[in-house]
Amino acid sequence: DVKVTQSSRYLVKRTGEKVFLECVQDMDHENMFWYRQDPGLGLRLIYFSYDVKMKEKGDIPEGYSVSREKKERFSLILESASTNQTSMYLCASSAAYEQYFGPGTRLTVT
Amino acid sequence: GQSLEQPSEVTAVEGAIVQINCTYQTSGFYGLSWYQQHDGGAPTFLSYNGLDGLEETGRFSSFLSRSDSYGYLLLQELQMKDSASYFCAVIGDSSYKLIFGSGTRLLVRP
Repeated sequence: DVKVTQSSRYLVKRTGEKVFLECVQDMDHENMFWYRQDPGLGLRLIYFSYDVKMKEKGDIPEGYSVSREKKERFSLILESASTNQTSMYLCASSAAYEQYFGPGTRLTVT
Repeated sequence: GQSLEQPSEVTAVEGAIVQINCTYQTSGFYGLSWYQQHDGGAPTFLSYNGLDGLEETGRFSSFLSRSDSYGYLLLQELQMKDSASYFCAVIGDSSYKLIFGSGTRLLVRP
């Protein structure tokens, strides 16, 4: 069974803080993705990575950065958290068309 | 721009059949996927159509018409546990990144 884990289920941060969200997958997948999910908007791609140290911007990369130093780990960084980044963050990995999602991190920025 | 359209809500009776439509307009197209998400849970993969036609997996089937930029998910013999949100998602290119629709909330009534 593929397992994708995320470092926290719930997180509360203050405006201006630097926030790290971590994602780990155990299936040796090349591709990893970070999405945010907001009501009525579906899932929107923030960044993705198709190899170690490689990253590509998704549809809404502003205010975010990512790091992939090891194949199994993909980190999302909010350089200076803002209230409009309050959302559910979902990580996924894939080898092909089927993506496997982690349980999500609900981030609240106050 | 890129867009996927699907109904926001559908209600059906237990044991019935329901069809959730998805139309898309994207710059590239490799295939159409469907994901299910229960409240508080992570999206899980249901099906993928890379070619025109019908794909069947148990009670669920998915259809694609590339010429019409249209697909649907068909759920048969509805059960209460099928109450969830269903997302269509386009794979636009070989990176396997997904472009999601905003989701259809299915409510199954007794």
